[in-house]
Amino acid sequence: RKEVEQDPGPFNVPEGATVAFNCTYSNSASQSFFWYRQDCRKEPKLLMSVYSSGNEDGRFTAQLNRASQYISLLIRDSKLSDSATYLCVVSPFSGGYNKLIFGAGTRLAVHP
Amino acid sequence: NAGVTQTPKFQVLKTGQSMTLQCAQDMNHNSMYWYRQDPGMGLRLIYYSASEGTTDKGEVPNGYNVSRLNKREFSLRLESAAPSQTSVYFCASKAFGMGDTQYFGPGTRLTVL
Repeated sequence: RKEVEQDPGPFNVPEGATVAFNCTYSNSASQSFFWYRQDCRKEPKLLMSVYSSGNEDGRFTAQLNRASQYISLLIRDSKLSDSATYLCVVSPFSGGYNKLIFGAGTRLAVHP
Repeated sequence: NAGVTQTPKFQVLKTGQSMTLQCAQDMNHNSMYWYRQDPGMGLRLIYYSASEGTTDKGEVPNGYNVSRLNKREFSLRLESAAPSQTSVYFCASKAFGMGDTQYFGPGTRLTVL
């Protein structure tokens, strides 16, 4: 079983749609959680950290359920520019050095 | 402030050839990392350096060596390239402390024939 699992998609949605991605992780000791965005043939970039209380950044909302070991990302009012692959990323506690475990990513395609 | 830079951007090798991928960061970060990304696999950690002077194996270290030349630079060497090492290689860096994000370089696309 992969440590971090995501639905690979692709999710094909029209502009303005709301889309949700889910992710599960296997290590219950995981401490930090992130969503990264990766554009085609580019490097991953941090989209947002995920906190236990849930957090929002504009049109993006991230939720964490530690009991179910489940992370979600909700994108409202999708834009063409949201088309990318979204990587769920988990980090176990490891002191100052921060080891990241990446999911394989969920691809989103927003069309006009 | 260039962030994380990698050279080369593209490389084609023949089986058995050697090469070194270079990575440098100008953010004064302590930790540096090398990942490979293959279709459907996500990024996998090859080696990391928690701080200058230290290096450790990640998830997939076989066939690779690294050197943390100084705080800025972290290189990845393939001593005898194999077709299974065809991949996109990303270098990343991070400041000290839990929760700080990793910043990635633009990647090196390597093909081994």
